[in-house]
Amino acid sequence: DVKVTQSSRYLVKRTGEKVFLECVQDMDHENMFWYRQDPGLGLRLIYFSYDVKMKEKGDIPEGYSVSREKKERFSLILESASTNQTSMYLCASRSQPGVVTEAFFGQGTRLTVV
Amino acid sequence: AQSVTQLDSQVPVFEEAPVELRCNYSSSVSVYLFWYVQYPNQGLQLLLKYLSGSTLVESINGFEAEFNKSQTSFHLRKPSVHISDTAEYFCAVSDLNRDDKIIFGKGTRLHILP
Repeated sequence: DVKVTQSSRYLVKRTGEKVFLECVQDMDHENMFWYRQDPGLGLRLIYFSYDVKMKEKGDIPEGYSVSREKKERFSLILESASTNQTSMYLCASRSQPGVVTEAFFGQGTRLTVV
Repeated sequence: AQSVTQLDSQVPVFEEAPVELRCNYSSSVSVYLFWYVQYPNQGLQLLLKYLSGSTLVESINGFEAEFNKSQTSFHLRKPSVHISDTAEYFCAVSDLNRDDKIIFGKGTRLHILP
């Protein structure tokens, strides 16, 4: 089975802190994604990556950056956390560009910024 | 840009009654459709998918969805719901002619009433 692992289930951080959310997949997938999930808003795409060192902005990239130094790992970085970034963050991976499959999700990281 | 509309944010239904969760997407030449389910405090799991072929697709736990190109819809149905179906359901679309992103609807919360 495909496994997408997010490093933390729950995080509490202070306003202004730099926050790293880590995601690892074990199926050699090319594509990786970061979404945030908020009640009534569904999943909104923050950033995605097609390959190592490649990244593309999603619909709500402001206040976030990403890093993909290795194929299996995709990190989401909050440079200076703010209270409006309190949310559930979901990482996903998908096989490769042009191949029709579903995305596989991690368990999510619930981040609270105080 | 591709978009997904889930017409109902919440659907209450009695146990053993039928249910339909509605999903419409914006038109595209070729589109791939998914339903994901999220149980409380968990990540998203794929419920079923339409990639090609038969327009009626089924899941292992009794859900089915029908791809209707003329109506641009992919409604999810189950003839008899169980208390264990309590969850949030997300419809999603991917257009491989564009950029491999999967776009999600805002979700429908299914409440099963005893």
